Amino acid sequence: AQTVTQSQPEMSVQEAETVTLSCTYDTSESDYYLFWYKQPPSRQMILVIRQEAYKQQNATENRFSVNFQKAAKSFSLKISDSQLGDAAMYFCAYKGGGSEKLVFGKGTKLTVNP
Amino acid sequence: GAVVSQHPSWVICKSGTSVKIECRSLDFQATTMFWYRQFPKQSLMLMATSNEGSKATYEQGVEKDKFLINHASLTLSTLTVTSAHPEDSSFYICSAKGLVADQYFGPGTRLTVT
Repeated sequence: AQTVTQSQPEMSVQEAETVTLSCTYDTSESDYYLFWYKQPPSRQMILVIRQEAYKQQNATENRFSVNFQKAAKSFSLKISDSQLGDAAMYFCAYKGGGSEKLVFGKGTKLTVNP
Repeated sequence: GAVVSQHPSWVICKSGTSVKIECRSLDFQATTMFWYRQFPKQSLMLMATSNEGSKATYEQGVEKDKFLINHASLTLSTLTVTSAHPEDSSFYICSAKGLVADQYFGPGTRLTVT
């Protein structure tokens, strides 16, 4: 079974600085997707970024970018120019190519200090 | 785009009664909908997956007779918690998926059983 591990229960960053959240996963599949979701205090899950495993290029969405290391099964999220609104729980998630389900990590709580 | 609504956002019911939660995809057709449960400070736990017009597939350990799921159309799924008990109190989140890999989440429903 696939597993997703987020080794940092909590992280903090100063406003305007850069922070990287770690995620590793275990799978024997070659076709899959990886996601980062943000859950602010409102508890609304928001899709931050998606990476298809077959793409070598790292996905980028404005201030959010990933470092996808397929061989190492690592999928970290970098947040640049951190803003107060970035404070939230961040969940890394895996979806196999042949499955509809998401497998979530336990989450990392990000605090942004002014 | 890709908006999912959930109703109600908060419901209080008495022990022994049933409560229905609705999940709607507002601007896309959801071929698959998912129901999750989230305990405080924890990750999302998948309860069941439903496809339009088909019976839901429940995860191991989830009581299908207690948590009734109906996916009557491509834009609506409902979760009915039957004979609710205080231990059913939780935060319930739905998500919807169209033809692409991404899941989009509703804002969640807080259920309190007294």
